[in-house]
Amino acid sequence: DAGVIQSPRHEVTEMGQEVTLRCKPISGHDYLFWYRQTMMRGLELLIYFNNNVPIDDSGMPEDRFSAKMPNASFSTLKIQPSEPRDSAVYFCASRSTGAGANVLTFGAGSRLTVL
Amino acid sequence: QQQVKQSPQSLIVQKGGISIINCAYENTAFDYFPWYQQFPGKGPALLIAIRPDVSEKKEGRFTISFNKSAKQFSLHIMDSQPGDSATYFCAASLRGSYIPTFGRGTSLIVHP
Repeated sequence: DAGVIQSPRHEVTEMGQEVTLRCKPISGHDYLFWYRQTMMRGLELLIYFNNNVPIDDSGMPEDRFSAKMPNASFSTLKIQPSEPRDSAVYFCASRSTGAGANVLTFGAGSRLTVL
Repeated sequence: QQQVKQSPQSLIVQKGGISIINCAYENTAFDYFPWYQQFPGKGPALLIAIRPDVSEKKEGRFTISFNKSAKQFSLHIMDSQPGDSATYFCAASLRGSYIPTFGRGTSLIVHP
């Protein structure tokens, strides 16, 4: 398995633009997580899905952020409009239920810079 | 409110030395405590984990010490190597959830 795949790896955009980050989880994993990493706040959980259904989005900072999981192999995190304070590394992670449920597998991250 | 407090924020150790990273938590409903290791440009990866029914777990040069009464746990890296240079995150998850709440991370540099 290629692991969790995220794109783009780097994104530089201007304030006010729409940003879409993409994630392909490991096949067979039924949980998908979006985390944000900053120096000030570390790794924050934004939202997670189980079987493509959003379970907890209490970590989403505000209405400018939205996430979808249209099928088991694809998820997006969208920021519209983007602001400089959204600059961070965004990670997608997935895990299974049952054996191996204790292990989150992270993607390599998408580094977002909003100018 | 930070549910898992991690210290120090950064740590510099000489090759062969012992690296120690500490974490504390408040919620007694946490029952799984993993440590994740992150190299530059990569995502975090599970390194070692412990449950509160044991006081210590060792895997090679990495040891977790767990003090349930004090609600503290720590990672010890024995004989630290330059290849151990990375950011380390402690985490805790609620009973049965396996959804980690992370500490803020510790940047470890091991000098040759």
